[in-house]
Amino acid sequence: GDSVTQMEGPVTLSEEAFLTINCTYTATGYPSLFWYVQYPGEGLQLLLKATKADDKGSNKGFEATYRKETTSFHLEKGSVQVSDSAVYFCALSDRNQGGKLIFGQGTELSVKP
Amino acid sequence: DTEVTQTPKHLVMGMTNKKSLKCEQHMGHRAMYWYKQKAKKPPELMFVYSYEKLSINESVPSRFSPECPNSSLLNLHLHALQPEDSALYLCASSHDQGSEQYFGPGTRLTVT
Repeated sequence: GDSVTQMEGPVTLSEEAFLTINCTYTATGYPSLFWYVQYPGEGLQLLLKATKADDKGSNKGFEATYRKETTSFHLEKGSVQVSDSAVYFCALSDRNQGGKLIFGQGTELSVKP
Repeated sequence: DTEVTQTPKHLVMGMTNKKSLKCEQHMGHRAMYWYKQKAKKPPELMFVYSYEKLSINESVPSRFSPECPNSSLLNLHLHALQPEDSALYLCASSHDQGSEQYFGPGTRLTVT
């Protein structure tokens, strides 16, 4: 079945450092890809999405590109802030499979001042 | 507006109690979802409603009973829960089944 693999955390960075969180997927169809962020004590927020190969999703300085050839959707940000400390989930959804969200295990990011 | 609201924010219940969780959205979305999330883990899908009909039940125990009274509301009725059911319960909605999902803040449930 479809699956998502994320790099393990926790990831600890200093403020203004460059962030990459790796995400790869396995899918039989043509899924949409998402990054969600969960701040402590809150629900998940949709951070960005991409619905087809070579699409780039971006929001709040974060970006990720749907790479079909490497089955990847890595999350990047050029300069992280303390307020970016959260858990980040990569996920896929395939309409032909009922639109179920398949999540990666999550990567905890901690940004120090 | 991409807001999904959930009540209550916190709930403590005994194993013999009956309680309900409520979820509401006013975005005109026709698909709504219940997830269960344990600490440090991704959410696990429980139920999906599409156009007010149950579309997916991920083999959830019958002590959890979902209800979709109308297109804006989703309830989760709880009865005879176990301590291991303690978790964050998240509701989500989407334009249709397969579109991006928007999550509520969750209900933190503790079963004693």
